[in-house]
Amino acid sequence: GAVVSQHPSWVICKSGTSVKIECRSLDFQATTMFWYRQFPKQSLMLMATSNEGSKATYEQGVEKDKFLINHASLTLSTLTVTSAHPEDSSFYICSARLGTGDFPRSTDTQYFGPGTRLTVL
Amino acid sequence: AQKITQTQPGMFVQEKEAVTLDCTYDTSDQSYGLFWYKQPSSGEMIFLIYQGSYDEQNATEGRYSLNFQKARKSANLVISASQLGDSAMYFCAMREKGGTYKYIFGTGTRLKVLA
Repeated sequence: GAVVSQHPSWVICKSGTSVKIECRSLDFQATTMFWYRQFPKQSLMLMATSNEGSKATYEQGVEKDKFLINHASLTLSTLTVTSAHPEDSSFYICSARLGTGDFPRSTDTQYFGPGTRLTVL
Repeated sequence: AQKITQTQPGMFVQEKEAVTLDCTYDTSDQSYGLFWYKQPSSGEMIFLIYQGSYDEQNATEGRYSLNFQKARKSANLVISASQLGDSAMYFCAMREKGGTYKYIFGTGTRLKVLA
């Protein structure tokens, strides 16, 4: 259980084009999903929190107009990199939150997708 | 401020031996959650184990166990009977307070299992 898929797994695009990445929770509903970016040999950097039915919450320094996030349903969030440039080349990974139990013993585990490697030429 | 520290950038372990990956945390919350993830070279983040601050027992999941020492604010991951497939990057994470469900991640430890 708790499987998250991400599509595409890799994409190469030309500078100036837009790329859409999909993140789906396959066997559970997720009101909250997260989008991360990871540079080689580094930890994950949170870009934004995606909430079903409302606007995404972006981390400081992340351009919301460049990285458009839509959480249209309880199982799907999309990240669109608009007007991509070579500096946007990176590994993008999403996660979906699965919460169980009641406070204070509740767990909120993030289950991650396999990631998308974006290369902008 | 909340913080996760992983002091071991890299570790080696012989196949079939046990290894401990260190993680210390800092928080003023009474209720918090700690997580360990494995990231193999493929890139996927695989959830391994969870420890809640109110859990009295150390969490265990198969060959993974969490040595939770609340007073020391440490949550070390113990992998028993290491396998070659355990070679990966390991991240410790803590759920942020405030109801955002965000995680704070450590910098990771790269584990290499030797045959």
